[in-house]
Amino acid sequence: KNQVEQSPQSLIILEGKNCTLQCNYTVSPFSNLRWYKQDTGRGPVSLTIMTFSENTKSNGRYTATLDADTKQSSLHITASQLSDSASYICVVRVMEYGNKLVFGAGTILRVKS
Amino acid sequence: DGGITQSPKYLFRKEGQNVTLSCEQNLNHDAMYWYRQDPGQGLRLIYYSQIVNDFQKGDIAEGYSVSREKKESFPLTVTSAQKNPTAFYLCASSTGQGYQPQHFGDGTRLSIL
Repeated sequence: KNQVEQSPQSLIILEGKNCTLQCNYTVSPFSNLRWYKQDTGRGPVSLTIMTFSENTKSNGRYTATLDADTKQSSLHITASQLSDSASYICVVRVMEYGNKLVFGAGTILRVKS
Repeated sequence: DGGITQSPKYLFRKEGQNVTLSCEQNLNHDAMYWYRQDPGQGLRLIYYSQIVNDFQKGDIAEGYSVSREKKESFPLTVTSAQKNPTAFYLCASSTGQGYQPQHFGDGTRLSIL
């Protein structure tokens, strides 16, 4: 069964600190993996997208890594800011007929001052 | 600025009532999607449309209906047959085809009166 598991479910950090969010998937065959940021009451916004041949992708203070062998991805946030408080969603695309997307439940990050 | 507009932001449904959620995009995207988001769960696909006058059921289409009469518009009707409609509904769009939304609207939160 195609699944995407994210951890932790929620996380609280102090402003200025770094953090890493995890995404494990059982999707096969794999096409690509995307990380979204979703502010409360808003729609998700794409941060990074990686194919199976890419190991890392950065977008400002956000850096995503991908290990296609172990089927794990992480999103590292550097020097966190209050505006980073949001839900971070990992989404994996299945390379098969229909190219379905499998969404993780997200990690809720709260950055405190 | 181009984007996706969803309205209303909040909607309340009475027992036995059908309600329609609006989604309009000015991105000139061919494909549009409707997702449902529940707390602690990943987004689930309700319906998608790759071209005007054509749409397909997603994973949880029962109790919902859509139309795609114009490229810019993809309204979703939540019918009385949907017994648990309380959720956050997200509309998305993309160029090309194949289940890969690129832009999301800011959602409509539907609740039961």
